[in-house]
Amino acid sequence: GESVGLHLPTLSVQEGDNSIINCAYSNSASDYFIWYKQESGKGPQFIIDIRSNMDKRQGQRVTVLLNKTVKHLSLQIAATQPGDSAVYFCAENKEIKAAGNKLTFGGGTRVLVKP
Amino acid sequence: GAGVSQSPSNKVTEKGKDVELRCDPISGHTALYWYRQSLGQGLEFLIYFQGNSAPDKSGLPSDRFSAERTGGSVSTLTIQRTQQEDSAVYLCASSSDRREADTQYFGPGTRLTVL
Repeated sequence: GESVGLHLPTLSVQEGDNSIINCAYSNSASDYFIWYKQESGKGPQFIIDIRSNMDKRQGQRVTVLLNKTVKHLSLQIAATQPGDSAVYFCAENKEIKAAGNKLTFGGGTRVLVKP
Repeated sequence: GAGVSQSPSNKVTEKGKDVELRCDPISGHTALYWYRQSLGQGLEFLIYFQGNSAPDKSGLPSDRFSAERTGGSVSTLTIQRTQQEDSAVYLCASSSDRREADTQYFGPGTRLTVL
């Protein structure tokens, strides 16, 4: 797979390869981060989340890595499949319970899986 | 219900008309959020409800936008005197708002087109 930042909006990956999507966040006080997947015409679908007291969390075929030192978040997708083609958004929140957990979203990265 | 539902799925209206968008959150979720997604853009926070109150309305773009929530469940987002720049997908999300489970689950959205 190819590592790209969100300033490059499209990631093309061969089916079966690993994908890495990167995200830089700006708020050092953010303590909760989420990755969403959005397919065309649908709402964002939760993939995986991580709190700031962790640096890695694994799900089914996905891993999220958090580097608080450089305020960087990444999503790794193992053995990318055609169904993984979508736009992926990272989101962060600052834990202010009185104001809820409103999320600040990144601009999104489109992943295209080539057969 | 099994997930967040929104209605209508699509709404086409004429400039100057009022529109109402509805959100049914996941049963038992106390927190409800409205976001807006313009074409090719990320998600923009509009308003947050905790129960029936809205502690954070900071994202509402103008006084033409309002929202209410009744019975701690259904929410309605109202846009008065719609303008063409209001055209977007309006997304609703809900969460249980417990510290260990802050994940926001999104509905499919309402695509609003103002002619």
